[in-house]
This record gives sequence, C-alpha cells and structure tokens, in this order.
Amino acid sequence: QLQLQDSGPGLVKPSETLSLTCTVSGGSISTRNYYWGWIRQPPGKGLEWIGSIYYSGRTYYNPSLKSRVTISVDMSKNQFSLKLNSVTAADTAVYYCARLGDTYAGADYWGQGTLVTVSS
Amino acid sequence: DIQMTQSPSSLSASVGDRVTITCRASQSISSYLNWYQQKPGKAPKLLIHAASTMESGVPSRFSGSGSGTVFTLTISSLQPEDFATYYCQQSYRTPYIFGQGTRLEI
Repeated sequence: QLQLQDSGPGLVKPSETLSLTCTVSGGSISTRNYYWGWIRQPPGKGLEWIGSIYYSGRTYYNPSLKSRVTISVDMSKNQFSLKLNSVTAADTAVYYCARLGDTYAGADYWGQGTLVTVSS
Repeated sequence: DIQMTQSPSSLSASVGDRVTITCRASQSISSYLNWYQQKPGKAPKLLIHAASTMESGVPSRFSGSGSGTVFTLTISSLQPEDFATYYCQQSYRTPYIFGQGTRLEI
C-alpha cells in the first residue's frame, strides 16, 4: 500500500524559507504515469495547488508562487521536497504532499498534512 | 487561469436525501475534472476523476457527470459518513485550480 509521509518544521519565521519533505513508501517515486505534488490549505479555507514534479525532474508550478517555489526529487531516498522562500503570514497553511495521475492529475494518495505557521 | 465556481457553498440535507453539487469552469475543460471529499482534520480523498470515473472503493451512491464547463457530483442517498466538504478541481491546464468547496451539513 502506497504511503506518503510529509515532514518538516511547523514554525517558520517571516522572510525565511519553508522546507518540507515527503517520503514515499510502498512504491517507487520513479513510477511512470504519476507526478508528485504539493497542495496547501490555509486554516478554514480551500485548497491551492502549489506545484508538481515528475521523477525525471520536470516541474510545473503555480504562477502565483513560481518565483518563490522549488520542488525537487531525490530518487535515491524515494523523496520529494518543497522549498518556499520569503514566507509571510499568508503562507500559513496545512501543506500536503500527494501523488497525481499524469493524465487527469487526480491526487489519489496524500500525506497526512503538516501545519506550517509563519510567525516571529 | 481557469476559474472554478462551485454551488452551493453550503448545503443542509438529511440522511437519505439526494443531493447535487455543481461546478462550473470559466472555459471549457473537456472532462478534466476531479471531485474530492474532505472531512475535518483529514486530507482530501479523491472520489472521481475525469468527470465521471469512480475511484476504487467509492460507494456507488456517488456519481459524477458533465463535460465542457458544467459538472455535477450527485449523492443518491446521503449516509451519515457523507457529511463533509466537497471540492472540484480542474486538471485541463496548470495551475490546477480547485473550486471553493461545498460544505454538506446535516
């Protein structure tokens, strides 16, 4: 059974960099036909797609965050990661990692989510 | 960006009711539409992809339809575990935009 486990600091200071890692178990991150992505949800609000990466390293980012986001993959560790720099309070959210199909981009497996609070 | 508008934003219903949630895209997205269910404190769960293809294990009371710009999620007979928030998501073009959600309440 595929499992995704996201991890990282729950508190980040304004202007610093948010860093999260998603560890995939029960399957290979280099599986064809799937992307690996990050989706966030501010408290009490809706879902926002941040970006996705293919095992080859090809990335797609949300233009609203593109200048601040980097998603990378480490096949040796079966992990992918998110870095969001220059954070503000508006970046406070639950961050989820997920697996997305390559055709219809439905996110069929999710991590448990990490609440990241941006505060000094 | 392709904008997604769900209606209603909230809905009160009873066990056994039939409910329909609508999602409208700002331009045609063919069948590139996914539906999710989210319960408080949990990650969303993918119910339907490609507008009408059910994920494995999803009860048959859930169904999806539509293409182009108008899509619907129907629950034929509400069960207690169905009370949750539902989101649509377009996957025709990045950025993959979600609808604002429909909160289904008892």
